[in-house]
Amino acid sequence: AQSVTQLDSQVPVFEEAPVELRCNYSSSVSVYLFWYVQYPNQGLQLLLKYLSGSTLVKGINGFEAEFNKSQTSFHLRKPSVHISDTAEYFCAVSRNQAGTALIFGKGTTLSVSS
Amino acid sequence: DAGVTQSPTHLIKTRGQHVTLRCSPISGHKSVSWYQQVLGQGPQFIFQYYEKEERGRGNFPDRFSARQFPNYSSELNVNALLLGDSALYLCASSLDRVSYNEQFFGPGTRLTVL
Repeated sequence: AQSVTQLDSQVPVFEEAPVELRCNYSSSVSVYLFWYVQYPNQGLQLLLKYLSGSTLVKGINGFEAEFNKSQTSFHLRKPSVHISDTAEYFCAVSRNQAGTALIFGKGTTLSVSS
Repeated sequence: DAGVTQSPTHLIKTRGQHVTLRCSPISGHKSVSWYQQVLGQGPQFIFQYYEKEERGRGNFPDRFSARQFPNYSSELNVNALLLGDSALYLCASSLDRVSYNEQFFGPGTRLTVL
């Protein structure tokens, strides 16, 4: 079975500071990895995904993530955050098979203040 | 193009009642998945439907059921509601059941069980 651990439940940062949201996963088979963002009272929006190839993945809104197979990690980073980045961020994993569901972590609340 | 739509947006029920939640996928998408998001947690997979057949089921009791219609819209039914069923129910659509395809999430239905 797969599982996802988001190591920080809350991350407070100041505007224009860099941020890293940490995600570790557990799986005995090959997986795909995703980061989603959820703004208040909205559904989830895909930020980026890792399927194969380059371990550095670039997504929307200036976010990027690095897949590290040896450390089973997929940390999300942004060099300079904005107030508008305040949201809940979810790391998710799925097996690379047809019909496989997304397994989500518990989420990290990113709070950006001025 | 319209995104994934869900109805109703909010719902209040009492214990023991049943509820039906509805989802319309993005035009051209044939797969619909349902997730339950309890406050403070990440979404948990309930069902996936593709071409009107159940293709995956999460660890939920038989009180939960779903179906997909010929136009690919879907309903989630929950019988004998419990207080613990209070959650945000998210619907996600994707082109097909291949796990690397992006799942597009709707805004959710907030269910409160009193």
